Amino acid sequence: TQLLEQSPQFLSIQEGENLTVYCNSSSVFSSLQWYRQEPGEGPVLLVTVVTGGEVKKLKRLTFQFGDARKDSSLHITAAQPGDTGLYLCAGRWSLITDSWGKFQFGAGTQVVVTP
Amino acid sequence: ETGVTQTPRHLVMGMTNKKSLKCEQHLGHNAMYWYKQSAKKPLELMFVYSLEERVENNSVPSRFSPECPNSSHLFLHLHTLQPEDSALYLCASSQEDRGLWSGNTIYFGEGSWLTVV
Repeated sequence: TQLLEQSPQFLSIQEGENLTVYCNSSSVFSSLQWYRQEPGEGPVLLVTVVTGGEVKKLKRLTFQFGDARKDSSLHITAAQPGDTGLYLCAGRWSLITDSWGKFQFGAGTQVVVTP
Repeated sequence: ETGVTQTPRHLVMGMTNKKSLKCEQHLGHNAMYWYKQSAKKPLELMFVYSLEERVENNSVPSRFSPECPNSSHLFLHLHTLQPEDSALYLCASSQEDRGLWSGNTIYFGEGSWLTVV
């Protein structure tokens, strides 16, 4: 079973600050997704990255996929209290044996943005 | 509203009880999933029904039993659970195409909070 590690586990910042959370694996991802889960709700997809070195932006969120496709980062600029939530990454490793495949999730990074 | 509805939202049951969690998806998807979410642990995929096949995580105890009567409904039957089974149980669905990768989005329900006493 491939391991997917997220860091840090918890991050508390003030409104207006920037933050970065990370997702790492020892194996090469075929694709990777980032989700945000707010209290009392299920995770909601933010982005899917596929190509090594890919950068995607979603308003104040910037997602980067490592060149070797083993790691990814999520950077939030000028964080707001509405960004509070559990950020989960989910990786898929195999295109062939797992072609209809299952994403494996990390434990998440809990982000708290205080006013 | 994600199109995936779970009931009940909260369930408290004794270790000798039998109960079921229900999930319904209104998205026309052909794959449905049960995940277990415990504090500070990765989401654990328990069961998948996809393209009429059932795939299990072999580490899931037999006290959890899934049922998928059709592509829109999924149940998780619970019996003789243990306190460590207390967790948030998430149902999800997606559209899967065998042999093709499509980076599919998994749509989650809001979850059922289960407490075993």
